[in-house]
Amino acid sequence: SAVISQKPSRDICQRGTSLTIQCQVDSQVTMMFWYRQQPGQSLTLIATANQGSEATYESGFVIDKFPISRPNLTFSTLTVSNMSPEDSSIYLCSVESGFPYEQYFGPGTRLTVT
Amino acid sequence: DAKTTQPNSMESNEEEPVHLPCNHSTISGTDYIHWYRQLPSQGPEYVIHGLTSNVNNRMASLAIAEDRKSSTLILHRATLRDAAVYYCILRANTGNQFYFGTGTSLTVIP
Repeated sequence: SAVISQKPSRDICQRGTSLTIQCQVDSQVTMMFWYRQQPGQSLTLIATANQGSEATYESGFVIDKFPISRPNLTFSTLTVSNMSPEDSSIYLCSVESGFPYEQYFGPGTRLTVT
Repeated sequence: DAKTTQPNSMESNEEEPVHLPCNHSTISGTDYIHWYRQLPSQGPEYVIHGLTSNVNNRMASLAIAEDRKSSTLILHRATLRDAAVYYCILRANTGNQFYFGTGTSLTVIP
């Protein structure tokens, strides 16, 4: 298993600003994932982040809006840039174990944009 | 990405069994069936997974149809702590990504 922490746990931000969310894992992992969960909705995959390579973004998500860093095997950041109220969501990171490829999720960062 | 279909909500009485269905008619032969649940204000947590055979663990059982186009998550004795949104997810053997469906919100009635 893996224990994941996220910072901040919640934030209220002004429109037009940016927020960087940190994800820390207690063990080395290859695959990390970032999800968005809009109010009352399911989770939507934003991107997959492998250490040492560019993140792979899902349809509808772009690097300019959601830049991701993955400097080592235990840490990643997601930045939400030029925020608007539509970006108000919970942002979660997850990591993948080895076979059978369970994912372990962090507690999430609750973002409110005013 | 393969799709799953689940009822939006279900109710169960406490200490009774619960059967949560999932349809995945476009499943491919190498897709694993994963179930996760999300308790209020928490990230999702792993429940169980399977490929072809029925599976049991300490949390639940997974019954997979012979044609693999549907599956059922079975909670043998629902408790109040089992109230959550349950997600059925197909994971392709060649990829790493999880694509969540809408899930089933389970209410447990005392």
